Amino acid sequence: DVKVTQSSRYLVKRTGEKVFLECVQDMDHENMFWYRQDPGLGLRLIYFSYDVKMKEKGDIPEGYSVSREKKERFSLILESASTNQTSMYLCASSPLAGGFYNEQFFGPGTRLTVL
Amino acid sequence: AQSVTQLGSHVSVSEGALVLLRCNYSSSVPPYLFWYVQYPNQGLQLLLKYTSAATLVKGINGFEAEFKKSETSFHLTKPSAHMSDAAEYFCAVSGTGNQFYFGTGTSLTVIP
Repeated sequence: DVKVTQSSRYLVKRTGEKVFLECVQDMDHENMFWYRQDPGLGLRLIYFSYDVKMKEKGDIPEGYSVSREKKERFSLILESASTNQTSMYLCASSPLAGGFYNEQFFGPGTRLTVL
Repeated sequence: AQSVTQLGSHVSVSEGALVLLRCNYSSSVPPYLFWYVQYPNQGLQLLLKYTSAATLVKGINGFEAEFKKSETSFHLTKPSAHMSDAAEYFCAVSGTGNQFYFGTGTSLTVIP
């Protein structure tokens, strides 16, 4: 079974703090994704990566950065957390081979609260 | 460009009744469509996917969906709702580079 794990289920940070959200997948997938989920807005793509050291902006990259130093790990960074970044963050991965019809596999999510 | 629209942010059904969750898509290329379920405080789990092999797709937990090109729809159905089906459901379409475009979700409540 594909497993995507996220470093924390719940996280509380203060405004201005630097926040790291870690995601690890164990199926050797090339593609990895970071989404944020907000009520009524569904899932919105923040960043994604097709390979080590590669990154592409999604629909809402402002205020975020990412790092992919190893194939299995994709980190989301909030350089200076703000209250409007309070949200559920979901990581996902998928294989490159097969393209469009590959499902994405999701982690359990990190619920981040910024005070 | 690809997008999906889910009609009805909240749907309530009685236990044993038909479940119908609506999804319409927009795609400039033949679409690959997915339904995911999210139980409270969990990540998303794949229910089923359409990859053009068959228009009626069967998924897990008794769910199925029918691809209708003429209506640009991919509605999710289940003949008889169970209490355990209460969850949030998301429709998605796949785009370039396996990037997904998700709908805003439908919260399903099952009334005993």
